[in-house]
Parts: sequence; structure tokens; C-alpha cells
Amino acid sequence: AQRVTQPEKLLSVFKGAPVELKCNYSYSGSPELFWYVQYSRQRLQLLLRHISRESIKGFTADLNKGETSFHLKKPFAQEEDSAMYYCALHTGGFKTIFGAGTRLFVKA
Amino acid sequence: GAVVSQHPSWVICKSGTSVKIECRSLDFQATTMFWYRQFPKQSLMLMATSNEGSKATYEQGVEKDKFLINHASLTLSTLTVTSAHPEDSSFYICSARVTGELFFGEGSRLTVL
Repeated sequence: AQRVTQPEKLLSVFKGAPVELKCNYSYSGSPELFWYVQYSRQRLQLLLRHISRESIKGFTADLNKGETSFHLKKPFAQEEDSAMYYCALHTGGFKTIFGAGTRLFVKA
Repeated sequence: GAVVSQHPSWVICKSGTSVKIECRSLDFQATTMFWYRQFPKQSLMLMATSNEGSKATYEQGVEKDKFLINHASLTLSTLTVTSAHPEDSSFYICSARVTGELFFGEGSRLTVL
């Protein structure tokens, strides 16, 4: 079965603290994984994709095929990082499967 | 990046009426668009894939006759909620994929009274 699991609905950290948003996937093919973010009153937008292997706004995510994970990490959280984060799996047939989302709240 | 625009942003209608939501790709052509539904504090649920010039592909459990999708041009897909009922109240989002990345509309909030 194709599935994306984000176990945490809400994650609250203090400014400057490290943050890790967990994502696990289930997919029999070669996964193409993404993190999308939705800031308050804004539309969903791409944060990063595993293919590009780049750091966006200080966030990184490494695909671990052995653990079927694609956790999103940032060493020092900022208040402006507060948003809803969705892990997504693009399947070969155009479909995108989204996780339930994790709301990150960065406290001052 | 590619821009996807939805209209209206929000709509209130009476039970039994039909509502049309438009999704436009402003600076690119989209042969395929995706319609999602998002319940409060829940994830996005793919409803259907809209294909230009052909029938939409609906996900299991989505009523084709309730949610009519038309993709008449390369820049416009429409979702019509027919005979709307209060349980159809939701946030509807369209998107298009460009070079692997999904670009989303701003969403349309439907409230059925």
C-alpha cells in the first residue's frame, strides 16, 4: 500500500532549538519525496524535494530507504518557521499522496 | 514559478444548489490538474485528476455525478459541486505539476447552508 505517515500532529519548540519533523512512507517503487509547507493565510508551496538535495531556509531532509523515512530537520528553529508541513510522495502515475501534516509552532 | 489561481476564494450557497470553482494556470499550460479536498485540520485528499480534452479520473469513493470536472482548455479546469449539501462544505484546492513540483491554487472554501 502507498502511504505517507507523519506521526506528529503538532510540534512545539523554542526559538533556536533543533527541530525534526518525521515522515515515513510505504511505496513499492522508487520514491520521489517532497516536503510542502503552508504558512498562515498562504497557499501550499514546495519547501524541498529529495532529488535536489539542497537546503531551503535552513531545512534539510535525507531520504533513508532502509528506514523508509524522509525526516525534515533544521538545527535552529526560527519563529517564521511556524507553519503546517506536509510530507508528500509522488507516485509513478502522477498521483501525490500527502501525509496528515505536522503543525510546527516555534515559541519565542 | 508557475502560478495557479482559483476562483472564488470562498462561496456560500444554499443546500441543493450547484457551485462552480475555477482553477486557472496563469503562466503555463496544464494538460493535467488535480483537485483536492481538505477537511479542517486534516490532510489533503485527492479527489480527481483533471485531463484536458478528456474525462477526469476520479479517486475511489468520490462521486462523479456530484463533483463534475471539466478541463476544456490547457489553462482552465472547473469543479462543479452539484446539488450541494452541508456535508460538501470544505476547502477545495487545485494544483498542477510542473517539472515534478506541484503548484497549488489558493483554495476555495465552500460553505453549504
